Amino acid sequence: GAGVSQSPRYKVAKRGQDVALRCDPISGHVSLFWYQQALGQGPEFLTYFQNEAQLDKSGLPSDRFFAERPEGSVSTLKIQRTQQEDSAVYLCASSLLQGPSSSQYFGPGTRLTVL
Amino acid sequence: AQTVTQSQPEMSVQEAETVTLSCTYDTSESDYYLFWYKQPPSRQMILVIRQEAYKQQNATENRFSVNFQKAAKSFSLKISDSQLGDAAMYFCAYRGGSNYKLTFGKGTLLTVNP
Repeated sequence: GAGVSQSPRYKVAKRGQDVALRCDPISGHVSLFWYQQALGQGPEFLTYFQNEAQLDKSGLPSDRFFAERPEGSVSTLKIQRTQQEDSAVYLCASSLLQGPSSSQYFGPGTRLTVL
Repeated sequence: AQTVTQSQPEMSVQEAETVTLSCTYDTSESDYYLFWYKQPPSRQMILVIRQEAYKQQNATENRFSVNFQKAAKSFSLKISDSQLGDAAMYFCAYRGGSNYKLTFGKGTLLTVNP
């Protein structure tokens, strides 16, 4: 596709519900990243995939957060038993190559509101 | 750990004028990359400009240019001939040479006045 797409764009969940956020990276991009952006803050790293391998999940806030990219393309970020502090915008980014010189391109994000 | 500081929460500029957004960073690495991203109200993060630390020449992209001072660990963004469409949140970001994740500052909200 022309850019990174994410769905849904908005998600409202009741506390305790599970949610799944989808990311479609730019076709052919090897690397995929998830970031969390709290209101009024810069994005913070959650996790990183190179193809289907999750190479770094050090930014995931708790074991309620789980991400996968089973075929090395589409990725899903799942949050179990959502809490109010999970409310944020979740951004997905992809880059063509795996090295640090490869620029990251972001999707529009999913705004999650937990009531 | 690397940190990125944007000391200006908000800035404003008159249309057609020039504005400079500040960014400082802290790192012990010698090889790294610096970026400026623009995030309009629609929330799509757009890459504005990037700078490789090993390059002495400041990067330029049309009306956007940077002033990269490696010794001072400073990376400011200059927007010339400001346009109404430049209004957005601007984030400075760092990426280490042996790393892959971006570390962002808290952002500067730029308002362009007609």
